[in-house]
Amino acid sequence: AQKITQTQPGMFVQEKEAVTLDCTYDTSDQSYGLFWYKQPSSGEMIFLIYQGSYDEQNATEGRYSLNFQKARKSANLVISASQLGDSAMYFCAMREGNYGNNRLAFGKGNQVVVIP
Amino acid sequence: DSGVTQTPKHLITATGQRVTLRCSPRSGDLSVYWYQQSLDQGLQFLIQYYNGEERAKGNILERFSAQQFPDLHSELNLSSLELGDSALYFCASSPSSYLADGYTFGSGTRLTVV
Repeated sequence: AQKITQTQPGMFVQEKEAVTLDCTYDTSDQSYGLFWYKQPSSGEMIFLIYQGSYDEQNATEGRYSLNFQKARKSANLVISASQLGDSAMYFCAMREGNYGNNRLAFGKGNQVVVIP
Repeated sequence: DSGVTQTPKHLITATGQRVTLRCSPRSGDLSVYWYQQSLDQGLQFLIQYYNGEERAKGNILERFSAQQFPDLHSELNLSSLELGDSALYFCASSPSSYLADGYTFGSGTRLTVV
């Protein structure tokens, strides 16, 4: 069963606009972590932001924020003030379970193209 | 530079062959992870090592094996290669066995099986 769902088609975003990337997850664990990674065309995977299941506040890292809605099992990424360098694939991922289990389950990704 | 070094960056080989992918984790990181990224399967967790010992196993084929050496570098061995093994193979590392932040990924090894 798919644990992370990212279903949005490729998105075109105007420079300086905000963009929201949807991510829903499926787990029966109480303790889990949610991550967003960026993969530009060069291929490397860049860690953006992390949200723990017990964190009461939404995570923020610079222009990135995570809209965490636990009851709905969603962890949407918001990129504010888009820049041309934000053009990339964005992956949502989840770590399930507790200490020592660090495998991540990744979604299929969202393609974002920022246009000037 | 993320601090995680993967070699080689590109590899082209024929079906039936065996290859070894190498990963040096970021300085101080004890955990190493291997992932496979293909167009049809996406990013799939293969295996994790922590301080030389296997810690978790994912969708790793029996034709594939890995190890982590005393100096903490890791190698992923792929044998009896098939066309479907063509993919981007990532190594990642983290400081400890507990993951509160993201991994640091290497830049990947792109394997093409012809």
